[in-house]
Amino acid sequence: DAKTTQPNSMESNEEEPVHLPCNHSTISGTDYIHWYRQLPSQGPEYVIHGLTSNVNNRMASLAIAEDRKSSTLILHRATLRDAAVYYCILRPNQGGKLIFGQGTELSVKP
Amino acid sequence: EPEVTQTPSHQVTQMGQEVILRCVPISNHLYFYWYRQILGQKVEFLVSFYNNEISEKSEIFDDQFSVERPDGSNFTLKIRSTKLEDSAMYFCASSGLRGKGNTIYFGEGSWLTVV
Repeated sequence: DAKTTQPNSMESNEEEPVHLPCNHSTISGTDYIHWYRQLPSQGPEYVIHGLTSNVNNRMASLAIAEDRKSSTLILHRATLRDAAVYYCILRPNQGGKLIFGQGTELSVKP
Repeated sequence: EPEVTQTPSHQVTQMGQEVILRCVPISNHLYFYWYRQILGQKVEFLVSFYNNEISEKSEIFDDQFSVERPDGSNFTLKIRSTKLEDSAMYFCASSGLRGKGNTIYFGEGSWLTVV
């Protein structure tokens, strides 16, 4: 399974943008980049995913490097409810299981 | 928004007892998963299930575990003869059609405590 590398933790101030980085230098051509998050005492929650182009949805934006060896999840205005562990996961085109790493624990200060 | 529901939310059991965790996946989803998360550790894949059979399982998913879909809606995880180290949060998940980065939806989890 392809691996991703994320910082263990990050801090942000409320209502400021947050950029969560992820390195995936061993990504293969058919791997999708998925981001999930896990709020305290809850199950993982889908955030966004992409293949090559940058993606936007109501929750976040995903910026993917041209060589696809890294990506950045962007929360445009962090709220206290965004405090969670964020996971960057590579998933083969065929779908199947998600393999979770340690993720980045994001704390948001008021 | 459709959701995956799990029962019980919390169960305490004695070591050696059998436990059944239940899940109702999202209607019309075809792929089902079980994950677990030991307190303070990462989320671990246990098993995936498609077309009434196991499609993939991890090394953790040994003879102690089994999964089945007893009817058209429920998906269960059975743990035979529980051990202390089985104490964890167990998440059920489901997804629709395979491929093209399809989203996996997780339930809120069943917290199992083995004493």
